[in-house]
Amino acid sequence: QVQLQESGPGLVKPSQTLSLTCTVSGGSISSGSYYWNWIRQPAGKGLEWIGRIHTSGSTNYNPSLMSRVTISVDTSKNQFSLKLSSVTAADTAVYYCARSLAVAGTPIDYWGQGTLVSVSS
Amino acid sequence: QSVLTQPPSASGTPGQRVTISCSGSSSNIGTNTVNWYQQLPGTAPKLLIYINNQRPSGVPDRFSGSKSGTSASLAISGLQSEDEADYYCAAWGDTLVFGGGTKLTVL
Repeated sequence: QVQLQESGPGLVKPSQTLSLTCTVSGGSISSGSYYWNWIRQPAGKGLEWIGRIHTSGSTNYNPSLMSRVTISVDTSKNQFSLKLSSVTAADTAVYYCARSLAVAGTPIDYWGQGTLVSVSS
Repeated sequence: QSVLTQPPSASGTPGQRVTISCSGSSSNIGTNTVNWYQQLPGTAPKLLIYINNQRPSGVPDRFSGSKSGTSASLAISGLQSEDEADYYCAAWGDTLVFGGGTKLTVL
């Protein structure tokens, strides 16, 4: 059973870069054909897809965040990461990492528990 | 403002059948499959329905999904108190888009 766990600072100052890591256990991040996703959810609001990285390293980003987002993968550590630059209070949210199969239309099937990141001075 | 449109709330009494709608466009639901997630308070979303009407192992058959054109629906029959949660639809377009979520209250 695949498990995902987010980690990183819970507090980031405005204009700085938010950095999170997702550690995958129960399977190799580089085996099979999967996308590794980041999704966020502001308190009391809905879900927003941030972007994804394929096992091969190719990425796709939400156009609304593309200019500030970088997703990378470290297969040696079985981890993938999110960097979001120039953050503001609007980036305060619970951030989830998640997995989806690299087949058109297939869902996100495994989610991490989520980690709250607050942007405040 | 979410790309997919869901009613913000729904309610029903135990044993009832409730439906939650999800409206999109030709660029998302119209050309791609729909997935549904259940989110209990303080927890991560859980996959409830995938590829329009398929249930993952362990999801009761009380939950069913359908899709027609640019809209989709989630139906819950035999409503139970533990079904009280937020429900989200999702579909791939150019990106993954979600509905705004529907808060289901079991009266």
